[in-house]
This record gives sequence, structure tokens and C-alpha cells, in this order.
Amino acid sequence: ETGVTQTPRHLVMGMTNKKSLKCEQHLGHNAMYWYKQSAKKPLELMFVYNFKEQTENNSVPSRFSPECPNSSHLFLHLHTLQPEDSALYLCASSQVRTSGGVSTDTQYFGPGTRLTVL
Amino acid sequence: GQNIDQPTEMTATEGAIVQINCTYQTSGFNGLFWYQQHAGEAPTFLSYNVLDGLEEKGRFSSFLSRSKGYSYLLLKELQMKDSASYLCAVRDRRDNYGQNFVFGPGTRLSVLP
Repeated sequence: ETGVTQTPRHLVMGMTNKKSLKCEQHLGHNAMYWYKQSAKKPLELMFVYNFKEQTENNSVPSRFSPECPNSSHLFLHLHTLQPEDSALYLCASSQVRTSGGVSTDTQYFGPGTRLTVL
Repeated sequence: GQNIDQPTEMTATEGAIVQINCTYQTSGFNGLFWYQQHAGEAPTFLSYNVLDGLEEKGRFSSFLSRSKGYSYLLLKELQMKDSASYLCAVRDRRDNYGQNFVFGPGTRLSVLP
């Protein structure tokens, strides 16, 4: 148990469906992340939120839409996905130092949501 | 571009020592991380290097050479439970608010009895 929870753990959806993935962190961190992990491919950073503001968006298709209502919750809204979007979606959080110095910025990962798009 | 290389698979014997290498080419550098990921589970943090040299944490050590774009993770006294994938990741921004993490493909380590 890392202090980061994700729901649902498994999701099967059709290409015309709309669904949302939820992530919650209980660590008091100020940064949250969405990653995609596909078979045979490296972990890919999708979105980063610092203090609820999106700071990174690594060329992710618009059918993925993140939302960060507060520093403890992160959502990934999904619509009109493609079969190639089937993957493990991981959420992570970290504490970013706010005043000078380098932040170790260790990320704590949730267990992931295994998404299958039919 | 961003590129991180690791061997795809390694095999070692229980009780032995294994070294997993990682080479990187990124637009910037602000720290290198090693994570362990067991099959079907989330990655967990192992080590962090930002300056050259060796960081030791129990059975695990990690080394960094920034001039060579090279790191390794050293696992001593291997145990069966060390069978997992080991992920190398680089943070490639210099300021605290730009956190772009680039992950390598991971090295799947199998520890045999």
C-alpha cells in the first residue's frame, strides 16, 4: 500500500463509451501524474499537475482529458478510445520542493487501472 | 531526442551479485531514478542519483556518471523476491516545476535458485 489508490482496477469499454479513471493520494503531496504502460513499451508520462495546475502534456490525444479538482484527486476522462489505447494506466504523486534546491521528487505509484478497449 | 537504454532481460543466481546498466541521452538532466516493478504491481522507488558517484542502500546501490550519461543498479545477495523489472528514469528539467520523467524500457531480472 503506497498511499495512492486508483479505481477501477479493471475496465473494459467500447470505442464509443465515455468513462473516467480516478486517482486519490493520501500522502499530502502537491504533484500528481498520469502514466501509460503498454506491453513491450516504456512507461510514458501523459500529464503532470503541480498545485492543481497542469504543467506537462506530452502530446497526448484529446480523447484523454485530465482533471485535477484538488491536490488529492486526479481524474482521467476517456472518450472515443481506440483499441491501441488498451494499457495499464498508472497514477503517481510526489512532493515537489517549493523553495530552492533540487527536489528528490520520489514518485509513489498507485496500483493502476488495466484498460481494455474493444 | 530522449532516449534511455537498458538490457531487456537478465538472469542471475540466488546469492549472487548483478549489475543492471542504464545509458541515457536527454535534453536536460535533473536526477536519475531506479524503480522496481513486480509483475502486475505498481513501480516502487529504489534509489535516486543527481551527483556523480555511488549511493548505497542496503543490498541495493546505484551509480551515476553524468559525463558518460550512464548509471547502474547493483543488487547484492540476490533473493528470489528480487525477480522483477527494474526501471531507469531520468528527470530532464532543471527547475522544480518542470518535471518531465523519461523512463527506460525496463530490465526484467530473473533470479534462479
